[in-house]
Amino acid sequence: AQTVTQSQPEMSVQEAETVTLSCTYDTSESNYYLFWYKQPPSRQMILVIRQEAYKQQNATENRFSVNFQKAAKSFSLKISDSQLGDTAMYFCAFTSYSGAGSYQLTFGKGTKLSVIP
Amino acid sequence: DVKVTQSSRYLVKRTGEKVFLECVQDMDHENMFWYRQDPGLGLRLIYFSYDVKMKEKGDIPEGYSVSREKKERFSLILESASTNQTSMYLCASNPGGPSSYEQYFGPGTRLTVT
Repeated sequence: AQTVTQSQPEMSVQEAETVTLSCTYDTSESNYYLFWYKQPPSRQMILVIRQEAYKQQNATENRFSVNFQKAAKSFSLKISDSQLGDTAMYFCAFTSYSGAGSYQLTFGKGTKLSVIP
Repeated sequence: DVKVTQSSRYLVKRTGEKVFLECVQDMDHENMFWYRQDPGLGLRLIYFSYDVKMKEKGDIPEGYSVSREKKERFSLILESASTNQTSMYLCASNPGGPSSYEQYFGPGTRLTVT
């Protein structure tokens, strides 16, 4: 079974600064995907960024980037130029193909990020 | 855009009541999922369905059942609600198949059982 660990329950960052959220995972699969999801207060969960395990290049989406260390099973999220709208719960998630046409997501426990004006 | 809707944002029920949580997606997705979200525990999979009338247990199915009579609709049923089922419930869907790994989430239903 896969596990996902987020060791930082809460973090804060000053507006315009950079913050890094940590995530480690454990799996015996060789082909898998990793995600960071964002859940703003009282709003819908949305995908921030994804990484395919077979790709060596780290994924980037505007101000969001990841540091994917496959050997270390580490997948951290860096948010640059933090904005007030980045305040949210962030979940790290893992998936691999489980057959029956389905991927199942395994989530970490989340990191609550607060951006301070 | 993919749209996943849930019938209620907030719901209050009494212990012992039968509770139905409804989820509808409008993108003809094959797979649908029900999660429970609790502080400090993250999201945990209750049940998922990979086709109409097909269902699989997730990590915490006890006390829940599901129904998927139509492709677009996936219902979570609490046969006899208990206070320890007070939680946020999230529905998700995805297209299905080996290249379809992203899930799209609904807004959630915050259920309180008193």
